[in-house]
Amino acid sequence: DAMVIQNPRYQVTQFGKPVTLSCSQTLNHNVMYWYQQKSSQAPKLLFHYYDKDFNNEADTPDNFQSRRPNTSFCFLDIRSPGLGDAAMYLCATSRVRGAGGPGNEQFFGPGTRLTVL
Amino acid sequence: KNEVEQSPQNLTAQEGEFITINCSYSVGISALHWLQQHPGGGIVSLFMLSSGKKKHGRLIATINIQEKHSSLHITASHPRDSAVYICAVRTPGDLYSGGGADGLTFGKGTHLIIQP
Repeated sequence: DAMVIQNPRYQVTQFGKPVTLSCSQTLNHNVMYWYQQKSSQAPKLLFHYYDKDFNNEADTPDNFQSRRPNTSFCFLDIRSPGLGDAAMYLCATSRVRGAGGPGNEQFFGPGTRLTVL
Repeated sequence: KNEVEQSPQNLTAQEGEFITINCSYSVGISALHWLQQHPGGGIVSLFMLSSGKKKHGRLIATINIQEKHSSLHITASHPRDSAVYICAVRTPGDLYSGGGADGLTFGKGTHLIIQP
């Protein structure tokens, strides 16, 4: 089945130790998103890629970076994780971006829960 | 920035009851999503609407664009429906308005528990 896959499902890192989260998709969608969801809060968009075009949200900390080497894969790099970065990280895809329409529906991965010690 | 409000925040009901979850937003949108999140799990998209009503099994979603309001209904609720239900909107606009043209702006979710 076509899907959005996130690895690992659970990641533990140490304070200040760089960590990379992975997302892959078999949907061949043009747009890939990364969201951060802290405990009991709504998900918050960090950035998205439209093809290779990177779009950062204005309030995303510099500590968070992303790479998209090809259509299928997108990585979230946290350069120096702090305790406040412990959260669920959700990857999502959509076929197109922009105004509403069938191609805008977002498909979510299962998430990676990051723990910072 | 679009403000998305959901009500109720928490809802406990008995199996078989008809459930309604409400969502309102402050700025005109291009699409509204209803999403389901199980404890510790990822998010599943239930519906995406821009007008009218959609039905899938026991789930019904409606939207009133003029009133900036949407509802999610669950008929004949079952314990397996227990989850957090999240309303999220896509707002037309530039990429620098926070959750603008492409990302979603999420409500805080409604935590639903269906007791046997």
